[in-house]
Amino acid sequence: KAGVTQTPRYLIKTRGQQVTLSCSPISGHRSVSWYQQTPGQGLQFLFEYFSETQRNKGNFPGRFSGRQFSNSRSEMNVSTLELGDSALYLCASSFENTGELFFGEGSRLTVL
Amino acid sequence: TQLLEQSPQFLSIQEGENLTVYCNSSSVFSSLQWYRQEPGEGPVLLVTVVTGGEVKKLKRLTFQFGDARKDSSLHITAAQPGDTGLYLCAGANSGYALNFGKGTSLLVTP
Repeated sequence: KAGVTQTPRYLIKTRGQQVTLSCSPISGHRSVSWYQQTPGQGLQFLFEYFSETQRNKGNFPGRFSGRQFSNSRSEMNVSTLELGDSALYLCASSFENTGELFFGEGSRLTVL
Repeated sequence: TQLLEQSPQFLSIQEGENLTVYCNSSSVFSSLQWYRQEPGEGPVLLVTVVTGGEVKKLKRLTFQFGDARKDSSLHITAAQPGDTGLYLCAGANSGYALNFGKGTSLLVTP
């Protein structure tokens, strides 16, 4: 079956802009998590959604937000971009939150 | 605060050598997972260990969960170039989030 699909794969933005990233989970998976990966900090948890409800949120500022739709697809948004937001944003889905995550290839964001 | 510390950060070895990667924490986890990430891709789950003292083998890879469920190790026997990648450990507890270590970057040269 198809894996986790993230779009876009690469994007370049400038400071102050906003960005929306999309994630389509594996069919049947209702839990979607988002992680930010940087060389210095590794993978940092952003938030997790299950059946359109945010169940947990990491320690990120309010500029980072997300949502999940009824078909389990998810989006995350970052407003007022800062240089430090440059990172690989990874989406992962799981079945009934078994704890075993299936990751997409990520969206690499560069903020200039 | 990084709950999971992985060592070493970088490891460069020749094909055929053995290696061990460590994942340590002061926190107890209900389970611990190991992932491998290759350049340009997302992490891929290798194994989940749940019981303290548990040992799991995946071909040439041996995973061990500490008795106190605070640490884990990954041992690779006779490493091959295809083992090259970033090895990540991740601890799970309540809250629907995994706590990842920063990873061990492994390079296996022919």
